[in-house]
Amino acid sequence: QLQLQESGPGLVKPSETLSLTCTVSGGSISSSNYYGSWVRQPPGKGLEWVGSFYYDGNTYYSPSLKSRVTISVDTSKNQFSVKLNSVTAADTAVYYCTRHHTNSWFDYWGQGTLVTVSS
Amino acid sequence: QSVLTQPPSISAAPGQKVTISCSGSSSNIESMYLSWYRQVPGSAPQLLIYENNKRFSGIPDRFSGSKSGTSATLGITGLQTGDEAIYYCGTWDYSLNAHVFGTGTKVTVL
Repeated sequence: QLQLQESGPGLVKPSETLSLTCTVSGGSISSSNYYGSWVRQPPGKGLEWVGSFYYDGNTYYSPSLKSRVTISVDTSKNQFSVKLNSVTAADTAVYYCTRHHTNSWFDYWGQGTLVTVSS
Repeated sequence: QSVLTQPPSISAAPGQKVTISCSGSSSNIESMYLSWYRQVPGSAPQLLIYENNKRFSGIPDRFSGSKSGTSATLGITGLQTGDEAIYYCGTWDYSLNAHVFGTGTKVTVL
């Protein structure tokens, strides 16, 4: 059974960089059928796709976040990460890492980690 | 704001059937696979339906999905108190070049 676990600071100051890592166990995220992805959810609001990486090295980002977000992968550690720079209070959310099939469904999710942007 | 529209809330008595709609456009629902998720507050979303109408592993046949044109529907029969949650639809939008989720529907079992 694939398991994903997010880790990283729970508090980030405005204008700084949010950085989270997802550790995958029970399998590999690098496959021709799947992406590794980040999805976030502001408190009390809906789900928002942040971005995804594909095993061939390509990355895909939400148009609204594209200028500030970077997703990278460390296959040797079975981890992938997200960095979001110049954060504001609007970036406060629970961030989930998830496996994303090429046919647009998310099957395995981490438990999520709350990141609060505040001074 | 989301490009996929769902009713904010639906309620029904135990044992009843509910249907949740998801309305989109030609650049998303009409031409791409749709999936459905259930989220209990405080927990991660859980995949229910993928590729429009296929139940994910372990999901009972009380849950069904369908799609027609620019709209899709999630059906839940034999409603149980454990079905209380927020339900989201999701798909790829080739015009936005982004994965999009619905606005979410809160199901309440009376």
